[in-house]
Amino acid sequence: AQSVTQLGSHVSVSEGALVLLRCNYSSSVPPYLFWYVQYPNQGLQLLLKYTSAATLVKGINGFEAEFKKSETSFHLTKPSAHMSDAAEYFCALGGNEKLTFGTGTRLTIIP
Amino acid sequence: GAVVSQHPSRVICKSGTSVKIECRSLDFQATTMFWYRQFPKQSLMLMATSNEGSKATYEQGVEKDKFLINHASLTLSTLTVTSAHPEDSSFYICSARDPGLAAYNEQFFGPGTRLTVL
Repeated sequence: AQSVTQLGSHVSVSEGALVLLRCNYSSSVPPYLFWYVQYPNQGLQLLLKYTSAATLVKGINGFEAEFKKSETSFHLTKPSAHMSDAAEYFCALGGNEKLTFGTGTRLTIIP
Repeated sequence: GAVVSQHPSRVICKSGTSVKIECRSLDFQATTMFWYRQFPKQSLMLMATSNEGSKATYEQGVEKDKFLINHASLTLSTLTVTSAHPEDSSFYICSARDPGLAAYNEQFFGPGTRLTVL
């Protein structure tokens, strides 16, 4: 069975601080993992993806994520938060016919 | 990256009417498209998988007679909400899978359609 767990439905960080959004997965097949960002009343935009190549993946807008098989994790980080990073973030698991989404994490940036 | 469009972006209709939402892949041919529904402050719920030239596959609990899906070409899938009622009000998002990335099931998402049924 496929599942994705995002710890923390809401995360608040100060502008300029480290952003860490957590994602753990469970998969019976080799996982392909994605992070998407959603701004209000918009669709999902791909931030980055892991497709079994490098375990440290760099994405757009300064985000990166590290695939750790031993921890079944794919946490999203950004060294320095910007006001424009405020949005909803979804971790998703591919590798079969459907994408399995986490419940999402709303990121708030404190000025 | 691949671009997926949706039309309309926002629609308001009266209870009992039908509404059609279009999803187009603009720069690639998508044999498979997906329709999602998203309630406020919640994650995406997959409604159905749309395959070009064949019947859509609906998720458990989704009424196929209420949510009609047609995927008549490699770049267009439509979702028709028939006899809409206020409880159908939601944000509907489509996505398309690039056949070249099918192994990963990477999907490209449209901007969404906000449906409000009065």
